[in-house]
Amino acid sequence: QSALTQPPSASGSPGQSVTISCTGTSSDVGGYNYVSWYQQHPGKAPKVMIYEVSKRPSGVPDRFSGSKSGNTASLTVSGLQAEDEADYYCTSYAGSNSLYVFGTGTKVTVL
Amino acid sequence: QVQVQESGPGLVKPSETLSLTCSVSDYSISSDFCWGWIRQPPGKGLEWIGSVFHSGGPYYNPSLKSRVTISVDTSKNQFSLKLTSVTAADTAVYYCAREGCISYWFESWGQGTLVSVSS
Repeated sequence: QSALTQPPSASGSPGQSVTISCTGTSSDVGGYNYVSWYQQHPGKAPKVMIYEVSKRPSGVPDRFSGSKSGNTASLTVSGLQAEDEADYYCTSYAGSNSLYVFGTGTKVTVL
Repeated sequence: QVQVQESGPGLVKPSETLSLTCSVSDYSISSDFCWGWIRQPPGKGLEWIGSVFHSGGPYYNPSLKSRVTISVDTSKNQFSLKLTSVTAADTAVYYCAREGCISYWFESWGQGTLVSVSS
């Protein structure tokens, strides 16, 4: 089972938007609405930002939004802030044999 | 929010068994439990290891399945990970997590514990 494909890096200036893609297959991203996104600052544990493609847990700013089209899911961070600089990982349910597959990760830089 | 915390040896010798425990606070693990382990080699991405669900499982990453055991101890409100025959490639930060039982996401994460495999 292969990891989901994310761009290695993305960047934007404060106040701008950045969108990160997460490409899988019909056996994972395209087959289920169970895509979630995690933010990880250096030396810290990941934190969930989006689950079920587009739902935000309590406490996550509405600047973070998720979507999916076919085999590709996306995370958009609007109104970039300095504290958004971090690594972001997607993950998808991949069926009962392998349950989860993670993305390769994207480093977001706020210029 | 459910709190989880990993504990265990930080150094394991090659070919031996890595054993970690995840202690759960502010929640009874015997409720509709869904718990998992994830790891991250230094400087690399996240890798799902396995999960246990109240409705079934455990489920393991196929690439690790032959070496992994995840179990739950409801009397201690803990769940554990055992990984046998470790090599240097198993050196990683290991995280335990509470999962969303219905919608497959990692709701709460522990702070992580670094396990190094070295003689």
